[in-house]
Amino acid sequence: NAGVTQTPKFRVLKTGQSMTLLCAQDMNHEYMYWYRQDPGMGLRLIHYSVGEGTTAKGEVPDGYNVSRLKKQNFLLGLESAAPSQTSVYFCASSYMGLAAGELFFGEGSRLTVL
Amino acid sequence: AQTVTQSQPEMSVQEAETVTLSCTYDTSESDYYLFWYKQPPSRQMILVIRQEAYKQQNATENRFSVNFQKAAKSFSLKISDSQLGDAAMYFCAYRSVLRDDKIIFGKGTRLHILP
Repeated sequence: NAGVTQTPKFRVLKTGQSMTLLCAQDMNHEYMYWYRQDPGMGLRLIHYSVGEGTTAKGEVPDGYNVSRLKKQNFLLGLESAAPSQTSVYFCASSYMGLAAGELFFGEGSRLTVL
Repeated sequence: AQTVTQSQPEMSVQEAETVTLSCTYDTSESDYYLFWYKQPPSRQMILVIRQEAYKQQNATENRFSVNFQKAAKSFSLKISDSQLGDAAMYFCAYRSVLRDDKIIFGKGTRLHILP
């Protein structure tokens, strides 16, 4: 019962470096999301996907790119990391339509950009 | 656009007492879901309770219950017999049935349990 798995769990980057966060879900969910969580800001949506091959911008998309080449995977990329991207990143997924219901979350990935 | 407001950034409650966390939301839709999530220090987001807007009966899960007031657009969470393990950040969330791709979260309430 893996559910939603994020890798890596922790990462330290230097300014300007690039990296990719991987989210994998084994529940056959249509929808997948990337959020960032910062103190006092709650969860802010970065990008999301409503199906394989589709992506859309959320509330704070600048500096991030995403891809959903396979239904079960949703990748979040930072092309040139900045200290402002230091945060905890959460991936989530859910069904769609009448079965939508709640989001299922990964354990989070803590990213520090020096 | 829908919004979710949690007006209490932090709250404290004595162990074994009852506490209520407030959440209000703004929407023009009639069909939606409401959720409470718990985020303990482990940072894992855990679903506590969910409510479908078409159901008049308030949802209950063991010591957790909600007071859902649809007309007032209020969705408070009551925790009875508070335990040390209830200490966490609690998030209220709204999901439209019509536009089910969007989920709106409140900014959270940090709950402290006093022994």
